[in-house]
Amino acid sequence: EPEVTQTPSHQVTQMGQEVILRCVPISNHLYFYWYRQILGQKVEFLVSFYNNEISEKSEIFDDQFSVERPDGSNFTLKIRSTKLEDSAMYFCASRSGSSYNEQFFGPGTRLTVL
Amino acid sequence: GDSVTQMEGPVTLSEEAFLTINCTYTATGYPSLFWYVQYPGEGLQLLLKATKADDKGSNKGFEATYRKETTSFHLEKGSVQVSDSAVYFCALSESSGATNKLIFGTGTLLAVQP
Repeated sequence: EPEVTQTPSHQVTQMGQEVILRCVPISNHLYFYWYRQILGQKVEFLVSFYNNEISEKSEIFDDQFSVERPDGSNFTLKIRSTKLEDSAMYFCASRSGSSYNEQFFGPGTRLTVL
Repeated sequence: GDSVTQMEGPVTLSEEAFLTINCTYTATGYPSLFWYVQYPGEGLQLLLKATKADDKGSNKGFEATYRKETTSFHLEKGSVQVSDSAVYFCALSESSGATNKLIFGTGTLLAVQP
């Protein structure tokens, strides 16, 4: 069964460093998402991406964040200058054009900022 | 804005006990409602969904009914198993929205003891 994959599973970085979180969505899907979950808190929407552009972003998704689909298979989230409060689990999700609502999630990347 | 509220956990039950996890929502339109499950070390998996009032979603013995009058979508299972131990997330998606982003509750940890 097709699945969404994410790498790395755990990333440790120093405050102020740049990180890139990678996702490979399901191959025929058209809509892509990033969510995050700070430990003990709810899963929060960050950004959605369709047709090679951002379709919606939350207040959390400020100028330090960017997304890219560089090669037609990977979908990346870049955090330019990490802060302590960026420590969280980051989930990638994708959905097809015909599956109106169902999003398929990856296993997540745990980001720890020291 | 739209929001989801679900009961605090953890919920600890003995095997074969009846499960209810309460979920209520606030939305301006007519959302679709979901239950996602997260098993230890894994990503979020769609458990069941309902897209309009009075719909009942069901899967793997779990059920939830979309109640517009009480703005609720409570998750139930008649007889839980140890393998059901996981975190359960209630979520909504505005069907009229361009991106169908998901808005999650805080999650409820279910622990089933043999």
